[in-house]
Amino acid sequence: DAKTTQPPSMDCAEGRAANLPCNHSTISGNEYVYWYRQIHSQGPQYIIHGLKNNETNEMASLIITEDRKSSTLILPHATLRDTAVYYCIVFLMNRDDKIIFGKGTRLHILP
Amino acid sequence: DTGVSQDPRHKITKRGQNVTFRCDPISEHNRLYWYRQTLGQGPEFLTYFQNEAQLEKSRLLSDRFSAERPKGSFSTLEIQRTEQGDSAMYLCASSRTGAGETQYFGPGTRLLVL
Repeated sequence: DAKTTQPPSMDCAEGRAANLPCNHSTISGNEYVYWYRQIHSQGPQYIIHGLKNNETNEMASLIITEDRKSSTLILPHATLRDTAVYYCIVFLMNRDDKIIFGKGTRLHILP
Repeated sequence: DTGVSQDPRHKITKRGQNVTFRCDPISEHNRLYWYRQTLGQGPEFLTYFQNEAQLEKSRLLSDRFSAERPKGSFSTLEIQRTEQGDSAMYLCASSRTGAGETQYFGPGTRLLVL
């Protein structure tokens, strides 16, 4: 079973920041938080990952709480092309062999 | 940088036929994974290879399924005697070991069994 809990769906207005929450209360100390997204009929696309510190790349920012029991993916200026299912995953880098996906959050960007 | 490629992108077959899918990983990625995704669900792990060795197989991979990676580069996934329940998106991903294991996915092969 997936070790994360995400809301099934969210709406966000185009041009606003989209904040996608994820709970991972049973995460262990050496497990990373990964985010992927899947646009309709395409393969999952890697977005970002982090361990303890907040991370930012050209796609998004990842905010991880100090106790690491939850995190938030932030898309700073959402566009219609960001409409997708977003998956939050915990993963033991360099040891885990497979990703266990949950059902993710379906993000709708509203024009 | 060439990403993961899969062929074909779509396949329609009749029940009982055999089908074979191909995955070409990112060059120099020594790990290759197969996942299956049905409508409304997240991808589910099927099997993975490190170089040419198949290291893990899911219980989802019945006897009718076989995967190979003979030279440690591309991989094939064959389904024999297809059933309607095999209709799904078959996804391939690749990664390196020792340098982080971010898995990068291909576009998938969508299979419809009639």
